[in-house]
Formats: sequence, C-alpha cells, structure tokens
Amino acid sequence: QVQLVESGGGLVKPGESLRLSCAASGFTFSDHYMSWIRQAPGKGLEWVSYIDGSGTATFYADSVKGRFTISRDNAKNSLSLQMDSLRADDTGIYYCAKDRQPSSYLGLHVWGQGTTVTVSS
Amino acid sequence: DIVMTQSPLSLPVTPGEPASISCRSSQSLLHSNGFNYLDWYVQKPGQSPQLLFYLGSKRASGVPDRFSISGSGTDFTLKITRVETEDVGIYYCMQGLQTPRTFGGGTKVDIK
Repeated sequence: QVQLVESGGGLVKPGESLRLSCAASGFTFSDHYMSWIRQAPGKGLEWVSYIDGSGTATFYADSVKGRFTISRDNAKNSLSLQMDSLRADDTGIYYCAKDRQPSSYLGLHVWGQGTTVTVSS
Repeated sequence: DIVMTQSPLSLPVTPGEPASISCRSSQSLLHSNGFNYLDWYVQKPGQSPQLLFYLGSKRASGVPDRFSISGSGTDFTLKITRVETEDVGIYYCMQGLQTPRTFGGGTKVDIK
C-alpha cells in the first residue's frame, strides 16, 4: 500500500543544520508532487515546501525561503528537506505528503507519520 | 498570501447531534475550471492529518457519508450530520489555489 516514512529529525542548536528524508513506496513516485508540512508544538499546520515530479520546480513558504532546500531522488523514491540556519521557531513535527499530479489536483492525500525537529540551545 | 479563517475555534458536540465548521478565504478559491481549490483535513489525537475532502467537495477514500461540504468562492462549511465519538479531532481547511498553500487555524471537535 502507499506509504511515506520520514526520518532524520533530532535535537540541534540554533544555527545548525539538519536533513530530513521521506521514503516513499506503493506508488509511482515521479508522477507526484511532494510536500513538506510542519506543526509547531501545540499549534496548527504550516505548509513548508513542495517540489514537482521531476524535481525542477520548487516552492517555499517565506518563513523558510533561503534556509531550506527541498529535493528528490526519483530513482530511490526519496524526498529530502535540507534545513540550514535553524531557529527555535523551526521546532516541530515535519510531515511529508503525497501531493498532486501535473494534470490532477488530489489534495495532500497521503501523509507520513512525521519526524520531530527540536532546535534549542 | 491567501488567509484562511476557521470558526469556531472549539466545538464541543454531543454524539448523535449535528456539527458544522466554517472556513473562509481572503480570496476566491474558485478556479476557471469550475473547482474550488479547498481541502479539508482532520488530525485525530496522536495521529497525522488525513484528507477528508479536496477540490471543494470531492470525498477522499473511506470518508463516511455523514460528512458533507457546502459553499463556493470564499465561504465553505464542513457538516457532520450525526457526530460519532471517532470524529473527535482537529479539523483544518487548506487552500490549494496559490502558493504558498495556507491552512486555517483549526477547529477542535470534542465530546461534551
């Protein structure tokens, strides 16, 4: 079945970097945009970034633009989020989600279980 | 950016009774293709969010028919005809029309 498994979260200090990964299975990975969404402790959902199926088009929330980089490896069915210059307000659970296809919008129809990022000195 | 506003913030419900959640957007979500780019998600306690509806009124797989959607443009409503205990959670709307995607602040549904 369709599955997304995030990894790479952890505790880092402000200014440090972290790389999150999302392993996808059960669907044709390259056919779908993929998104990252995060949730600060006790707060709502915030869309962070998404990438098209080929990896050539990327989009970011203003809050992470210039610090985070989304990428994908279609040969390995893997999505990544490189997070640099981390700040305390980047703390939260990071989810990857299966997103639209180029010709059909499907919502964020599959989510992973999330990986926790804590930025603290 | 499109601002999404949900109400109420909290919704205590009695099992078997109806419930409704409002979602408003600062710009119309109606695309020229006739679809509203508005999704609904629920995050049940301790779980990841899951999709309920997309493109305004398209029901995601496995969503019970006691859930329904109404509205178009900038005003949308999620309705539950008869709330069940398993419906407890935080409900979010999200617009998919423009980047950045934006979520409403969430509505917490719990049992009275």
